[in-house]
Amino acid sequence: SAVISQKPSRDICQRGTSLTIQCQVDSQVTMMFWYRQQPGQSLTLIATANQGSEATYESGFVIDKFPISRPNLTFSTLTVSNLSPEDSSIYLCSVPATGDLYGYTFGSGTRLTVV
Amino acid sequence: TQLLEQSPQFLSIQEGENLTVYCNSSSVFSSLQWYRQEPGEGPVLLVTVVTGGEVKKLKRLTFQFGDARKDSSLHITAAQPGDTGLYLCAGNTNAGKSTFGDGTTLTVKP
Repeated sequence: SAVISQKPSRDICQRGTSLTIQCQVDSQVTMMFWYRQQPGQSLTLIATANQGSEATYESGFVIDKFPISRPNLTFSTLTVSNLSPEDSSIYLCSVPATGDLYGYTFGSGTRLTVV
Repeated sequence: TQLLEQSPQFLSIQEGENLTVYCNSSSVFSSLQWYRQEPGEGPVLLVTVVTGGEVKKLKRLTFQFGDARKDSSLHITAAQPGDTGLYLCAGNTNAGKSTFGDGTTLTVKP
């Protein structure tokens, strides 16, 4: 399966600032996905990052708050802007799993705490 | 929105016991995955089931997809402390999107 390097692994940020999360994949992939997860809970899809076009956002998530870049087929960034304590969460990137038509491979996650 | 409900939400057992985790929905899925997630890590794909009634085994783990493709179960035989983690089911629609269940936190005590 593809190997995803996600960083930072954790950060503590001040209100009103922004955090940019990076995901590097060791192979080219058409689609990359960004999720949010409260510790011990389910994953919620934020957006699909498409190479060469704008990201596709799910209901409740907007580009101004979660701008995404996808400059090539192995890299993507998610920025969480104008941080508030409600943004404290785990953010994960994922790509389709190799050898499995339906599953996904995930990065190790970024635990964000907003103070 | 297609919801996947997992039960139980929390499960704490002794090493050597058996357990079953359930994943239920009122919606039909084209496929369903099970993942295990450990603290500080992303979910790791365990299995995908596609055909209604399908049963897959992965060592001590047995996965079953319901006949109507609306539900699934994960059975662990002789649980070990290494099985501890958050177990997530995820269903795929024909549109290609995944919906995740709310998770089952399993603790296996030595």
